Amino acid sequence: QKEVEQDPGPLSVPEGAIVSLNCTYSNSAFQYFMWYRQYSRKGPELLMYTYSSGNKEDGRFTAQVDKSSKYISLFIRDSQPSDSATYLCAMSPGHTDKLIFGTGTRLQVFP
Amino acid sequence: EPEVTQTPSHQVTQMGQEVILRCVPISNHLYFYWYRQILGQKVEFLVSFYNNEISEKSEIFDDQFSVERPDGSNFTLKIRSTKLEDSAMYFCTSSPSAGKTQYFGPGTRLLVL
Repeated sequence: QKEVEQDPGPLSVPEGAIVSLNCTYSNSAFQYFMWYRQYSRKGPELLMYTYSSGNKEDGRFTAQVDKSSKYISLFIRDSQPSDSATYLCAMSPGHTDKLIFGTGTRLQVFP
Repeated sequence: EPEVTQTPSHQVTQMGQEVILRCVPISNHLYFYWYRQILGQKVEFLVSFYNNEISEKSEIFDDQFSVERPDGSNFTLKIRSTKLEDSAMYFCTSSPSAGKTQYFGPGTRLLVL
């Protein structure tokens, strides 16, 4: 079983839709959870950072962590064409700074 | 807004040659990392660096790889004798604390022929 699993997509949605992106993981030691956005041929850009379980909201973005199910989500409200990118989940246990990434989900928002 | 910078943006080299990838982390950051992303694959951790020494490295980071902070601003990754399978995008990241908010540079695309 892979440590972090993420559906590669592509996920295609109309402008204004609510987008749900998800990752599952197998290592119960993971404590820190992040979402990065990566535009084509660019470096990942940090979107959300969450410690342990719970929700975090920042503008149109909401990150959820359910440690009991080993499942994390990123919701994007009122999606825009500029949100079209690959979204990477990343996580790490508390004893190391090493980030373990999912494969990324490619999102396309069409006007 | 401060950002991590990397040079060169692209590097083409012959197999067996040495390459040095350069990074300038965000100025007040103390923790530095290298990751790589082979085309179509996930981002993979290579090495973390703090207080002028390696704090953790992955299985990928073998004896052909080394890192250095030669001065107060630069952070370098050296590959001594490149192989075809080293072709990838290499990302430098930095963090202000032993924490998880790592900020990525734009990457160096390395192609080994």
